[in-house]
Amino acid sequence: GAGVSQSPSNKVTEKGKDVELRCDPISGHTALYWYRQSLGQGLEFLIYFQGNSAPDKSGLPSDRFSAERTGGSVSTLTIQRTQQEDSAVYLCASSLTSGGDKRYEQYFGPGTRLTVT
Amino acid sequence: TQLLEQSPQFLSIQEGENLTVYCNSSSVFSSLQWYRQEPGEGPVLLVTVVTGGEVKKLKRLTFQFGDARKDSSLHITAAQPGDTGLYLCAGPPNTGNQFYFGTGTSLTVIP
Repeated sequence: GAGVSQSPSNKVTEKGKDVELRCDPISGHTALYWYRQSLGQGLEFLIYFQGNSAPDKSGLPSDRFSAERTGGSVSTLTIQRTQQEDSAVYLCASSLTSGGDKRYEQYFGPGTRLTVT
Repeated sequence: TQLLEQSPQFLSIQEGENLTVYCNSSSVFSSLQWYRQEPGEGPVLLVTVVTGGEVKKLKRLTFQFGDARKDSSLHITAAQPGDTGLYLCAGPPNTGNQFYFGTGTSLTVIP
């Protein structure tokens, strides 16, 4: 079956512009995560969606960052007024939430490399 | 301060050598996972350990969960160039609903 897909794969934008990054999770996965990863570094949690519950936004670094998940499937991460420090790879992951520890097993997309010039 | 600290941060070894990567925390985790990430790709799940003291083997990779569920290790036997990548531990602490990734270990296996 299809895995997690993300688009675009690469995005170059000018400082101050808004960008939208898209994530298509695995069909049937009710949990969706966004992470940010700087070059060679670990993953920084941004936001978590679980079914119809209110998202956990505790990792969003500023109010310039927001995310939506429409119809419990596709998600869009929006960064407004981009800054150079926003340059990173943005990774999306999805997982099953049928209970037990499998709900934490995340399947990642290839990421979107964002460069702010 | 990171909830999950990995060591070493960087490791470069010759093909055929053995190595161990450590993942440590002061918090108790209900489970821990290990992922491997290759350049330009997202992390790929290798294994989940759940029970304190549990040992899981995946070919040349051996994963162990500490008895107190605060730490884990990944041991690779006879490393191969294909093992090169960023290794990440991750998991949910016993309390709260958050999920954390470790600081990562970048492994390079030289042919």
